[in-house]
Amino acid sequence: EIVLTQSPGTLSLSPGERATLSCRASQSVTSNYLAWYQQKPGQAPGLLIYDASSRATGIPDRFSGSGSGTDFTLTISGLEPEDFAVYYCQQYGSSPYTFGQGTKLEIK
Amino acid sequence: QVQLVESGGGVVQPGRSLRLSCAASGFIFSSYGMHWVRQAPGKGLEWVAVIWYDGSNKYYADSVKGRFSISRDNSKSTLFLQMNSLRAEDTAVYYCASNNWHYWGQGTLVSVSS
Repeated sequence: EIVLTQSPGTLSLSPGERATLSCRASQSVTSNYLAWYQQKPGQAPGLLIYDASSRATGIPDRFSGSGSGTDFTLTISGLEPEDFAVYYCQQYGSSPYTFGQGTKLEIK
Repeated sequence: QVQLVESGGGVVQPGRSLRLSCAASGFIFSSYGMHWVRQAPGKGLEWVAVIWYDGSNKYYADSVKGRFSISRDNSKSTLFLQMNSLRAEDTAVYYCASNNWHYWGQGTLVSVSS
């Protein structure tokens, strides 16, 4: 089983700042099948990034994903008020399709 | 537009069974593998099970193997999760999701308590 470790656990930033979220895998993610999700309280997760760097439909270009192998990054350039939420990474290259424990992005 | 609507959640005693449904619309359901993912209260996401588009293959998380069964009815565009021998640690919101992870339902809450 691939274990995904997200850092930091909580990130405190102000609107307009740049956020950098990390996801490290315990072994290489097959074909870089790595996704990022945003989740707000009481809502289902929403897909932001798939295949490590492809933005999902309707996702603003301030969200970008990068990385390969075992190290992946989600960058949010110019935080908007609606971006403060919990973010999860997930690998879907091999079963079981594991998730990271999440990074909470909060307003400073 | 794409919709996935889960139903069947509720409060159930430990050891009992429950069957969840996920009704799909707005896309060609029979062309997509489908997943169940759960989230315990205040916790992160946990993948539960996957079924191939034609039902030919099914895989489960170790935590539910032998107790849960995933199935589908492509003629009715519906996904199922049969949950037997339920435990307190199965308490969670259960989401269905498409195999490309682009489509998710709103979730249904399962609470296992005596």
